[in-house]
Amino acid sequence: SQTIHQWPATLVQPVGSPLSLECTVEGTSNPNLYWYRQAAGRGLQLLFYSVGIGQISSEVPQNLSASRPQDRQFILSSKKLLLSDSGFYLCAWSVLGANQPQHFGDGTRLSIL
Amino acid sequence: AQSVTQLGSHVSVSEGALVLLRCNYSSSVPPYLFWYVQYPNQGLQLLLKYTSAATLVKGINGFEAEFKKSETSFHLTKPSAHMSDAAEYFCAVIEDGGFKTIFGAGTRLFVKA
Repeated sequence: SQTIHQWPATLVQPVGSPLSLECTVEGTSNPNLYWYRQAAGRGLQLLFYSVGIGQISSEVPQNLSASRPQDRQFILSSKKLLLSDSGFYLCAWSVLGANQPQHFGDGTRLSIL
Repeated sequence: AQSVTQLGSHVSVSEGALVLLRCNYSSSVPPYLFWYVQYPNQGLQLLLKYTSAATLVKGINGFEAEFKKSETSFHLTKPSAHMSDAAEYFCAVIEDGGFKTIFGAGTRLFVKA
C-alpha cells in the first residue's frame, strides 16, 4: 500500500533562518506531488505541484521554493523565513493522470518567531 | 474558473442528529467532486468522490453525498452524528481532465453530547 511521510512534525524557526521540509512517498511510482499551506482559520493554499522529476510549478509568488530530486521525494525550502510563513504545511500525492483524489501527509506545523 | 463554496464555516449538531454540510460548485464542464475530512493536527483524508458513475456516493464512516447537477450541489450527509465526527470537512473539485484540486474554505463540524 502507498504511504506518505512528512517531517518534521513541528518546527520553530527564527525570522530570517532557512527552511527545508521533506516529503517522501512509498508504494507508487511517478506520482503527482503537491505542497499546500494552511494558515490558521483558513483553507488550503496550493504552493507548488510537480508532475515529474525536476518539474516544478509555482502557484503563488513568495520566498519559498520546491524541488523534486527523486521520483518520490518533494522538498520545500526557503533561504530566509518571514513571519508570514507560519502555518501548517501539507504534502500530498496523487496517481499520475487526471481526475485523481489526493492523499495527504500528516503535515508540519511551522512557527516563526 | 472552477470553484467550490461551502455554506457555513461552522456547523453544530447534537450526537445522533442528522449531519448536513453544504457544498456548491462552479464549473463549466462536468466536474470530479470530493469530500475530505481533517482531524486536528492531521492531514486531509478522502471521505468520498463523485466520478459520474452514480449521483449518490457512499463514503467512509457512514457519510454520503448526492450530486445534483440542476442545483450545482454536492452536499455531504450522515444520518446520525457521532462524537468522533467532530472535524473539519472540505469539499473539493477537479475539472474534468485536470489534476489540480480546488478546495473549499472548509466547514468545522461540532458534535454536542
